[in-house]
Amino acid sequence: QVQLQESGPGLVKPSETLSLTCNVSGVSISSSSYYWGWIRLTPGKGLEWIGSVLYSGSTYKTPSLKSRVTISLDTSKNLLSLKLRSVTAADTAVYYCSKLRGGYVDYWGQGTLVSVSS
Amino acid sequence: EMVLTQSPATLSLSPGERATLSCRASQSAGSFLAWYQHKPGQAPRLLIYDASNRATGIPPRFSGSGSGTDFTLTISSLEPEDFAVYYCQQRNNWPPTFGQGTRLEIK
Repeated sequence: QVQLQESGPGLVKPSETLSLTCNVSGVSISSSSYYWGWIRLTPGKGLEWIGSVLYSGSTYKTPSLKSRVTISLDTSKNLLSLKLRSVTAADTAVYYCSKLRGGYVDYWGQGTLVSVSS
Repeated sequence: EMVLTQSPATLSLSPGERATLSCRASQSAGSFLAWYQHKPGQAPRLLIYDASNRATGIPPRFSGSGSGTDFTLTISSLEPEDFAVYYCQQRNNWPPTFGQGTRLEIK
């Protein structure tokens, strides 16, 4: 079955870059049928859509984060990646990778907590 | 961006009772709205998409209705495993947005 698992540092210093990867199993991320995305959950703002990527590499990012976000696919390893630059305490959140279908999330990862602190 | 407002913030009910959760959009979402269930420490789960379609494996006690700006998730008879946080999400406008959630707790 489809499974997604996030990994990456749980602590990032302010002004540095948050880097997460998502190991996808049970389905090929090269499929033209699906988008892949990142979503985060913060105490203050709730669930927030970060952005999504298609197998072709085309990306769609939420405007408020667009200048700081890179989302990419490694089709050879079936991995999805997120980089968020110049982080602040407001970026502290649980980050979820996701498989999208028709604009909705039909599979979520378990989520990984990233704290931004010096 | 489109704002989704969920009510109530917390709903206290007993197993066997009917739950009615509301999601109101700041502008029309058409029928492009989903509902998710989220339990602590677990991945969220898609329940309903396109306002009224149950996702694969979702029991029939979960139903969704509405269009435009007003949407409802109904759980006809609560089971113990249904107590969780529920979120709505729209995909009609970019970026997709979520409501702030309704916590369904055991009374």
